Amino acid sequence: GAVVSQHPSWVICKSGTSVKIECRSLDFQATTMFWYRQFPKQSLMLMATSNEGSKATYEQGVEKDKFLINHASLTLSTLTVTSAHPEDSSFYICSARGQGFYNEQFFGPGTRLTVL
Amino acid sequence: QQQVKQSPQSLIVQKGGISIINCAYENTAFDYFPWYQQFPGKGPALLIAIRPDVSEKKEGRFTISFNKSAKQFSLHIMDSQPGDSATYFCAASRGGSQGNLIFGKGTKLSVKP
Repeated sequence: GAVVSQHPSWVICKSGTSVKIECRSLDFQATTMFWYRQFPKQSLMLMATSNEGSKATYEQGVEKDKFLINHASLTLSTLTVTSAHPEDSSFYICSARGQGFYNEQFFGPGTRLTVL
Repeated sequence: QQQVKQSPQSLIVQKGGISIINCAYENTAFDYFPWYQQFPGKGPALLIAIRPDVSEKKEGRFTISFNKSAKQFSLHIMDSQPGDSATYFCAASRGGSQGNLIFGKGTKLSVKP
């Protein structure tokens, strides 16, 4: 149990394009989902927290207009990197938290974004 | 200000040895302390977690020791195996597992055969 998937696992795009990353909780309902960013050999940096049906709460320094987060259902959250630039290249990881047994943060496998 | 300090940054242990990773926190409101294991190119996986009402929790070869007065907690990996080679992150949150996690900077563990 407690499986979180992400799609795509990696993506390469040209500068200026937008990229959407999906995060799904496969076997539980996620009341809260989180999006992290991780640079090589560094720790996880929380970007935003989203609750189903509500607007995401962004951490200080994260541009909400650049990183659009939608948590449309209890099993799906999406992160859209708009007008991506090379400095947006990173490893993006989502996590999901449910209730009861699933009241922990379970992480997805991550998405490697490379912007050329 | 780094709220969770993790050490060492890297650790090399012989197969069968004990790996010890330490974390210290500053915010006394933290009440949930998980450890995550991350392999290269993968997302972190929850290993074990502890709450401040106990001083130790053991799951298989993994043990968390917690010292509330010192505001420190540590992960012990007994009988370390090459397959344990990964990066380990400690974290802390307040509000139990409902809170947002504050991560340490990570420890890269290498277990030599």
